[in-house]
Formats: sequence, C-alpha cells, structure tokens
Amino acid sequence: DTAVSQTPKYLVTQMGNDKSIKCEQNLGHDTMYWYKQDSKKFLKIMFSYNNKELIINETVPNRFSPKSPDKAHLNLHINSLELGDSAVYFCASSQDLGDRNSPLHFGNGTRLTVT
Amino acid sequence: GNSVTQMEGPVTLSEEAFLTINCTYTATGYPSLFWYVQYPGEGLQLLLKATKADDKGSNKGFEATYRKETTSFHLEKGSVQVSDSAVYFCALRTAGGGNKLTFGTGTQLKVEL
Repeated sequence: DTAVSQTPKYLVTQMGNDKSIKCEQNLGHDTMYWYKQDSKKFLKIMFSYNNKELIINETVPNRFSPKSPDKAHLNLHINSLELGDSAVYFCASSQDLGDRNSPLHFGNGTRLTVT
Repeated sequence: GNSVTQMEGPVTLSEEAFLTINCTYTATGYPSLFWYVQYPGEGLQLLLKATKADDKGSNKGFEATYRKETTSFHLEKGSVQVSDSAVYFCALRTAGGGNKLTFGTGTQLKVEL
C-alpha cells in the first residue's frame, strides 16, 4: 500500500486555469505538508497542516489554497495558474508536529506544467 | 534561521569508487539531521538520520555522522554502484517554527561502469 499518494502524477494546463492536486496518507500521521521543487531540484516548503489546522504558510501567493478535510488528506488548489507555477509539487506527512526526530514521508510528486 | 549547504554537483564516479557528499548546517536550536535520496522520476525517500551529536546514521551501505563541533553531516559510501545514481538531499529539522524540514540544494550523483 502506498503510504503517501498524490494525484494526478502529471498535470498539463494553460495559463489562467484553476487546478487541484490531491494528497492522502494512510500512515495515521498528524501533520501534512506541501513542498515545491523547482527545475533546479530546490525544495521549498509551502504549507503545513496539523490535524486540519494550518501551521505554516511560507509566503505563498494567495492563488494557492490548501484544504485539509481531515488529517489524512491535504489538497492543493491553485487559481489563475502562471508559467512560474510549473514545478513538481510534493506532499509529505510526519508523525508528530512537535517531534524533530520524526522524518517526513513523501509522495511521488505531481509534475505541473503550465503552458 | 535554519539553512543547509551541500556541495554542488553533479558528482560523477566510477562504480566501486568511494563517495563523499559534504553537508554543513546552521540551526537555531538543536537539529535532527537527515539524508534523503530522489531517484529519477520518483519522490524523496529517507536514506538515514541522526538525532544527536556523534550519532551515526546508516542504511544501504551509506553512513553519515552528526558532528556538532563542525556542524556537518557528510554522506559517505565505501563502494558506489550504478544503481546509486540519484539526487541526494541533506536536511535538518528543529523543534519550533512548525518543525518544517529544511533542505539543502541537492547533489546529483552519477555512477558509471
């Protein structure tokens, strides 16, 4: 069974469109994250949620809106897509927000291409 | 704030060569340290971790020792294989600040026959 699963794996769309990426984890973890990986492989955190509550919002444009319907799901909705949004988006989860020793478990990523 | 510095890649080695990928960090508070690996087209997988000074993390022949005095966590492997070709990320996590994982820029490793 996949621990952290994201859909879709690939997303190709035009500028100005709105799209969503879904993420689910079956690890029973309390905390979930979205990371963005740019073309140079640099990884930057976007959001984190703990038990459906927003914990981190790293100066992400408000066109990006995460939604956590329950602690096993964290979806990412993006409005008015721009060329610069093209990247790979990774969902991740960890056991406990307060435990620095707890590693993050990552999904396989969603490659978003905006044309 | 927290930051991680890794050596730039790509690193190209012949099979069975010795590997070192350097990683140094700065952190507010006491960090836990991690190495993640990303194979082509895949997500990040935890390779190893160390949670306190002088701990050694190891997995699949890779090792890294948490050196507080030099704020380093260098990744080593005695004999690399073609299948080790991937991008390697050093990362740290501290308590507070949302406990986010802060990554280095990644080092691409290419192993040739």
